[in-house]
Amino acid sequence: RKEVEQDPGPFNVPEGATVAFNCTYSNSASQSFFWYRQDCRKEPKLLMSVYSSGNEDGRFTAQLNRASQYISLLIRDSKLSDSATYLCVVNGFFSGGYNKLIFGAGTRLAVHP
Amino acid sequence: DTAVSQTPKYLVTQMGNDKSIKCEQNLGHDTMYWYKQDSKKFLKIMFSYNNKELIINETVPNRFSPKSPDKAHLNLHINSLELGDSAVYFCASSLGQGKSPLHFGNGTRLTVT
Repeated sequence: RKEVEQDPGPFNVPEGATVAFNCTYSNSASQSFFWYRQDCRKEPKLLMSVYSSGNEDGRFTAQLNRASQYISLLIRDSKLSDSATYLCVVNGFFSGGYNKLIFGAGTRLAVHP
Repeated sequence: DTAVSQTPKYLVTQMGNDKSIKCEQNLGHDTMYWYKQDSKKFLKIMFSYNNKELIINETVPNRFSPKSPDKAHLNLHINSLELGDSAVYFCASSLGQGKSPLHFGNGTRLTVT
């Protein structure tokens, strides 16, 4: 099983739609969770951290389900500018006890007029 | 004002050559990383340095040699380049190791011919 798994998509949605992505992780000891956004030929940029109680930032809502080991990202009222790849990021553990951030392969979102 | 900057942005070279990529961050972070993003867009950690000390070497061929002269710089030297090394290499930094959000440079697109 991969450490972090996402549906690659693409998700093709009209402007104004609500879309949700899920991401599952394998290590129950993981404690840090993030969503990143990556535009074509650009670097990944932090979209939001994911907190245990769930959190919202404008049109974006992130949730964590520890029991089922998944995090989700909900985008309301999609804009054309939301078109990008959304990367799920979870902390994992390297030998020696060091932490590392593990990226999912990303979910592609295409918002059309 | 650039937080994490890496050079060059594009690198085209022939098999067997040796090349270097430089990275600098002005965020005051103590941890720096090299990530590789291949043609399938999968972003994978290569190295992590904390306070100039190598703490993660994720089974990368020893043709790749990172060097951190100080906390603000992490360079990557690649010997005897191979076709399979073609990818986008991202430098990143964070405060603390492995749990805090990463800030990425804008990437170096390496093409080996």
